[in-house]
Amino acid sequence: DVKVTQSSRYLVKRTGEKVFLECVQDMDHENMFWYRQDPGLGLRLIYFSYDVKMKEKGDIPEGYSVSREKKERFSLILESASTNQTSMYLCASIQSGVRANEKLFFGSGTQLSVL
Amino acid sequence: SQKIEQNSEALNIQEGKTATLTCNYTNYSPAYLQWYRQDPGRGPVFLLLIRENEKEKRKERLKVTFDTTLKQSLFHITASQPADSATYLCALGENNNDMRFGAGTRLTVKP
Repeated sequence: DVKVTQSSRYLVKRTGEKVFLECVQDMDHENMFWYRQDPGLGLRLIYFSYDVKMKEKGDIPEGYSVSREKKERFSLILESASTNQTSMYLCASIQSGVRANEKLFFGSGTQLSVL
Repeated sequence: SQKIEQNSEALNIQEGKTATLTCNYTNYSPAYLQWYRQDPGRGPVFLLLIRENEKEKRKERLKVTFDTTLKQSLFHITASQPADSATYLCALGENNNDMRFGAGTRLTVKP
């Protein structure tokens, strides 16, 4: 089965720090996503990428950037962390194109606390 | 504006009963709709997918319906068990580049 691995399960950072959240998938999926999940708000799409070096903004990209230098790795960057970015961050991937299966595979999530 | 609404934030039912969860959407034209299960502290796990031209899909004790006229999907768990307790999320796909989720319904099945 597909494995999506997020580098940290829990992370505590200080306001103003630059934060990197890493995500790696092992099934050669083209599309990768970053969501944040907050109580009562569900999963909100931050950014997605449909190919190496390609990125598209989701619904809430402000304060975030992403990097996809290799197909298997999709990084989320908080340029200057703020307390309102305290959240659960979830990475996901999906196959597309001729092998599309329309099923998202998620990592276990990173609970980020910004103090 | 676009919205995906899961009508109940929480649903409590007795073991053995059928749980019915609702997902409504506005200003979307989904090619398919999916349901995911999420346990506390874990990422969501895919359960079922139903396409726009399908009315109903079943998998073991799970049944999903999709009404594109009403812009609604219903998710049923029959003969519910305490192990079914989790948060259930619906998601819309207009294409593989664009997956949006509802806020989820937290289901508790009491023995």
